[in-house]
Order: sequence, then structure tokens, then C-alpha cells
Amino acid sequence: LAKTTQPVSMDSYEGQEVNITCSHNNIATNDYITWYQQFPSQGPRFIIQGYKTKVTNEVASLFIPADRKSSTLSLPRVSLSDTAVYYCLVGDMDDYKLSFGAGTTVTVRA
Amino acid sequence: ETGVTQTPRHLVMGMTNKKSLKCEQHLGHNAMYWYKQSAKKPLELMFVYNFKEQTENNSVPSRFSPECPNSSHLFLHLHTLQPEDSALYLCASSQVTRAGGFHGQYFGPGTRLTVT
Repeated sequence: LAKTTQPVSMDSYEGQEVNITCSHNNIATNDYITWYQQFPSQGPRFIIQGYKTKVTNEVASLFIPADRKSSTLSLPRVSLSDTAVYYCLVGDMDDYKLSFGAGTTVTVRA
Repeated sequence: ETGVTQTPRHLVMGMTNKKSLKCEQHLGHNAMYWYKQSAKKPLELMFVYNFKEQTENNSVPSRFSPECPNSSHLFLHLHTLQPEDSALYLCASSQVTRAGGFHGQYFGPGTRLTVT
């Protein structure tokens, strides 16, 4: 399993863009990059997944450079309700038993 | 009902009790998972069922016993638990294709378990 490293915490204000970078230097060729969001006492929620370049959906964008050794989750115009823990996971079908690290606690202030 | 559901949402049990947690997924997925999340700790993967076969058991004590009767249902049978087993137990499902590709896990709301 590729090991991931994320910042422990980030603070932001409403309306700002939040970018969380995850390092995964030993990512394998078949690995996908997946991000989850978790609120207290709830299960993680799948946000976005990508393999290379850029992926965008209705809630976030995922930027993956050509070497794939890192990825950045971008949350546009955050609100107070985006305060949560965000997890970056890396793995492929054979590694679907993914391991969650400590994640990044994002706190959005008014 | 859609997504992944778990029952009960809250459970208090004594150390000598036997109880079961239930998970049901309505997403047509073929893999299901049990996770444990203790206070202020990362999620710990406990069991994985892929195509109804248990493919992962992360050294979980035998007082936790999983059962996967079909691809939509997953149970976690509990007996003789310890107070340190108190945690949030999360079920998840995903679609795993033999051709390759992992498409993200979808989690249920969890069962908050307290062992007294």
C-alpha cells in the first residue's frame, strides 16, 4: 500500500478556496487516488477519485501532476458545513482494503 | 431506501452479551467492509468481503465474527466484548471489477457501540 502524508490541520474562512495536498511518493502504476470527507460520528463520504491530470465534479476538483507523487484536493468557496476531516487514500483493485490515515482536519470560520 | 444502511445506530451491551450489527447496501456493489473507529483514531479496517468471500481479516480478535450471506448484507456478530471495544463501527461497500479499477467506498452511518 502506498503511504500517504497530509497536513494535520488547515484553517480557512467562508468563501475561500481550500487546497489540501497529499504526498504519495511510492504510488504504484495501478493505484488510484481517492478522497473522503468525514463529519464527527458519521461514516466517511466519497468525494472524488482520479488517476492522472485533473478530475472535477460538483463538489471538488482533484489535481494530479504527471509524476503522480502528490495530489491536491481543491474545495471551491467553502462554507461552515465543509468543516470536516479529509482523507487521501491511494490503492488499486488488489489494494481495495485501503488504510485511512489521520486525515486533514479542515476548520472553516465565519 | 438507498445507499448503505446500518442497524442499530446505537448499542449498549454488557461484556457477557451477544449482539449483532447489520449492514445492508442498496448500490449493487460486490465488496463490503467493516471498519472500527475509536475516539480520535484513524479508521481501522477489520474485515473485507469481495464477491462474498472473506479476503481480509486484519488480526481482529475472535470475539468479532463477520458474516456475509450475500453481496447486499453484512453482519458483525459480537460476543464477550471488552470496554476497549467501544467505538463507532462502520460498514462500507464498493464495486470491485476483475478488469481492474477501484471506484471508491460508500459508508453507512455507523453503529455507536458502548460496552459496559
